[in-house]
Amino acid sequence: NAGVTQTPKFQVLKTGQSMTLQCAQDMNHNSMYWYRQDPGMGLRLIYYSASEGTTDKGEVPNGYNVSRLNKREFSLRLESAAPSQTSVYFCASSENPGHLISGNTIYFGEGSWLTVV
Amino acid sequence: SQQGEEDPQALSIQEGENATMNCSYKTSINNLQWYRQNSGRGLVHLILIRSNEREKHSGRLRVTLDTSKKSSSLLITASRAADTASYFCATWRYGGSQGNLIFGKGTKLSVKP
Repeated sequence: NAGVTQTPKFQVLKTGQSMTLQCAQDMNHNSMYWYRQDPGMGLRLIYYSASEGTTDKGEVPNGYNVSRLNKREFSLRLESAAPSQTSVYFCASSENPGHLISGNTIYFGEGSWLTVV
Repeated sequence: SQQGEEDPQALSIQEGENATMNCSYKTSINNLQWYRQNSGRGLVHLILIRSNEREKHSGRLRVTLDTSKKSSSLLITASRAADTASYFCATWRYGGSQGNLIFGKGTKLSVKP
């Protein structure tokens, strides 16, 4: 059982280039998330998908787009990378959307280190 | 904006000592969760405490919740070098049509052998 798998692990981009971070989960979860983690800032939500077919903006969506390709896969795209997007990106999933009070926990991938020069 | 704020930002202790980390949050919650992140890795869920619970145990972990003070604490007893990691509290924020899990900035724990 792989859990949440994200690729690539490391990437260096030049300013203005585009790229897509791929994420897949094999836990049959409904909800998926993209976070970024920066020193001193903790984790901040970029976009999330409560269920297949829906996506919503999080705290820091500017400069990003997402696609919920199917129930398993949720990709994050940087259309024109900027140095401010240098960060560690985490994909995550949970069984149900967070607004349910059953106490959802989130399962994280191992992270993607992105440097924009 | 951050929902949870951990305190202290960094903590250094000797193996065998207890480590206590605190978390404060701003709005009403249904539950609060603690996660651990080893260096260079993703976050791993440790424990969840519901708003109607005051204390919860899991192995060497003890979590308390005081909803009147909007605060929680994570106690790791008899710490080990392997406990060296960053620890985050997280709460669900209910906004728009769905909710999302909001993390604090974390406490970096260093346990020296």
